[in-house]
Amino acid sequence: QQPVQSPQAVILREGEDAVINCSSSKALYSVHWYRQKHGEAPVFLMILLKGGEQKGHEKISASFNEKKQQSSLYLTASQLSYSGTYFCGTVPSPGSYQLTFGKGTKLSVIP
Amino acid sequence: SQTIHQWPATLVQPVGSPLSLECTVEGTSNPNLYWYRQAAGRGLQLLFYSVGIGQISSEVPQNLSASRPQDRQFILSSKKLLLSDSGFYLCAWKQFANTGELFFGEGSRLTVL
Repeated sequence: QQPVQSPQAVILREGEDAVINCSSSKALYSVHWYRQKHGEAPVFLMILLKGGEQKGHEKISASFNEKKQQSSLYLTASQLSYSGTYFCGTVPSPGSYQLTFGKGTKLSVIP
Repeated sequence: SQTIHQWPATLVQPVGSPLSLECTVEGTSNPNLYWYRQAAGRGLQLLFYSVGIGQISSEVPQNLSASRPQDRQFILSSKKLLLSDSGFYLCAWKQFANTGELFFGEGSRLTVL
């Protein structure tokens, strides 16, 4: 089951903050976040394994609410280099090899 | 270090023609292998994944098939392409089931005319 991401697209000015949400109708074991630049392959950002866990990557952090089956990606003080499409991927259970991605959120950071 | 390669990078095929995309991983053994397709408005769609030689799990019923003849080789095929098969195909690998990052290949852009 494909996770649902919101918003579909967002435009920010440099220095502004953004939140990208990812939700699933089924139980989740882990959530993965990737960023893809136009014409390139997706690049790994982080994995969240435990409910309520928050992880950070430079000025990008994420949270995972296992009970609500939701994850959010937080981008603070956005930079031009943050532009791209962000995908969340979900794994339903421990030991599962199935990694299913959402449709993505296109983030554009302008000067 | 581990590397992943897929080819061809770009191809244009007529409707009804066959397809073969190949992916190989170097520098690791027994990787978990994946085929994803990226089409407009669909995001990254999981097509197949494999946890070992000859073991293929299909996620989307379609006219595509996958095979894993060797440990580090993953092939995506079709006997007769449809217009809807156009898209950006990405091969990826990861070492562990639910931890560790997914490493993607450079992608193959397929246009079916």
